[in-house]
Amino acid sequence: NAGVMQNPRHLVRRRGQEARLRCSPMKGHSHVYWYRQLPEEGLKFMVYLQKENIIDESGMPKERFSAEFPKEGPSILRIQQVVRGDSAAYFCASSPPMQGIGTEAFFGQGTRLTVV
Amino acid sequence: SQQGEEDPQALSIQEGENATMNCSYKTSINNLQWYRQNSGRGLVHLILIRSNEREKHSGRLRVTLDTSKKSSSLLITASRAADTASYFCATDGGSGGYQKVTFGTGTKLQVIP
Repeated sequence: NAGVMQNPRHLVRRRGQEARLRCSPMKGHSHVYWYRQLPEEGLKFMVYLQKENIIDESGMPKERFSAEFPKEGPSILRIQQVVRGDSAAYFCASSPPMQGIGTEAFFGQGTRLTVV
Repeated sequence: SQQGEEDPQALSIQEGENATMNCSYKTSINNLQWYRQNSGRGLVHLILIRSNEREKHSGRLRVTLDTSKKSSSLLITASRAADTASYFCATDGGSGGYQKVTFGTGTKLQVIP
């Protein structure tokens, strides 16, 4: 059972371009979370998705950022018209449907986005 | 301050010593998890402790949870240079019928050989 797979591992974009980050959850996991980590900081929650539904996007910037988790295929975090401040590590985590009093979230290795 | 705050922010110890990191949180939780992150790398899940548990062990790791004080501690015994990393606690509020893990800002641990 492969872990959470994120690709690409490193992504370089020029200002104004679009960045697409992909996350394939662990097998059997239907919940996906995206986090952003700025250099020397902790992880900040961005968005929580279940298949075809955005459950909580309270951590997403209001503009330029969007996320989806289609019925088939990976979850995508999309950043339009990237700016230098978007440079960060973006981590995806997945968990199975909630069981009992909470479940463990498994993290991918992250995508490091550099905007030049 | 945010949910899940680790303290100290940085810790430097000699190899062989024990390292203790603390985490405080604000709202009720279902479980609390500790993660390690080596510099520039992804997160490694260390241990999960549920709200009805008080202590848990895994190898050289010992985690305690005090829900009355809304705090947890991570103890690494007989530290090694390879333990050098940032350590994060993550809480699962469980409100609203779903799990959203909220991370603290981390403790940077340096183990000097």
